[in-house]
Amino acid sequence: DVKVTQSSRYLVKRTGEKVFLECVQDMDHENMFWYRQDPGLGLRLIYFSYDVKMKEKGDIPEGYSVSREKKERFSLILESASTNQTSMYLCASSLVGGGNVQYFGAGTRLSVL
Amino acid sequence: AQSVTQLDSQVPVFEEAPVELRCNYSSSVSVYLFWYVQYPNQGLQLLLKYLSGSTLVKGINGFEAEFNKSQTSFHLRKPSVHISDTAEYFCAGGAQGGSEKLVFGKGTKLTVNP
Repeated sequence: DVKVTQSSRYLVKRTGEKVFLECVQDMDHENMFWYRQDPGLGLRLIYFSYDVKMKEKGDIPEGYSVSREKKERFSLILESASTNQTSMYLCASSLVGGGNVQYFGAGTRLSVL
Repeated sequence: AQSVTQLDSQVPVFEEAPVELRCNYSSSVSVYLFWYVQYPNQGLQLLLKYLSGSTLVKGINGFEAEFNKSQTSFHLRKPSVHISDTAEYFCAGGAQGGSEKLVFGKGTKLTVNP
C-alpha cells in the first residue's frame, strides 16, 4: 500500500511565523502535490513537484513556497503565516504513467492566530 | 481548460435508500476520471477510477460510476447506502497524455440518516 505521511495532524501558529508542513511518501513516486481544502471550495492546488528540485506553481501559490530536496519528501513553507492561511492542507503523490491516480495523506489542519 | 462540476453540494438520504452523486466534466482531450471519498478529519481515499475500457466502473464499498462521453458525465451511484457512507465525495479529472495534475470538483457532502 502507498503511504503518504504528513508530519502533523494539527498545528497552531501565530501570525508572522514561518511554518513548515512536511510530507513523506514511501512508494518512489515522482510527482508530489500540495493542496489547500476549504469548505465550499474543494481542493485547490498550491504547488506541484515532478522531480527532485523541480516545482510548478498551482492555482494559489501566493504566500507559499515549497522544497523538494529528496524524492520522498515535499515540504510546504508559509514564509509569514497569516490568518487567511488557516485551512486544511493535503499532500498527495502519484507515479508518472500511473493514470494520474493520486494518493493522499491524512491532512494537516493549520490554525493561524 | 479542463473543469469538473459537482452538481449538488449536499445530498441527504435515508439509510438503505439508493443514491446518485452527479459529476460533469469539460475537456477538449480524453480524460481520466476519479471519485474520492473523505471521511471526517481524514485525507482523501480513492473510491474508483475510469482510465479506459468499460464505461461502468466498480469501486470499493459497493459504489459504481458510469462514464458517459456524450453527456460528459461521471455520476456515482450506490443502490443501498449505510450510515457509514456519510462523508464528503470528490469527483476529479485528469487529461490523458497531458499534465499529471488533477482538477477537483467542489465536493458533495452525503449525509445518511437512520
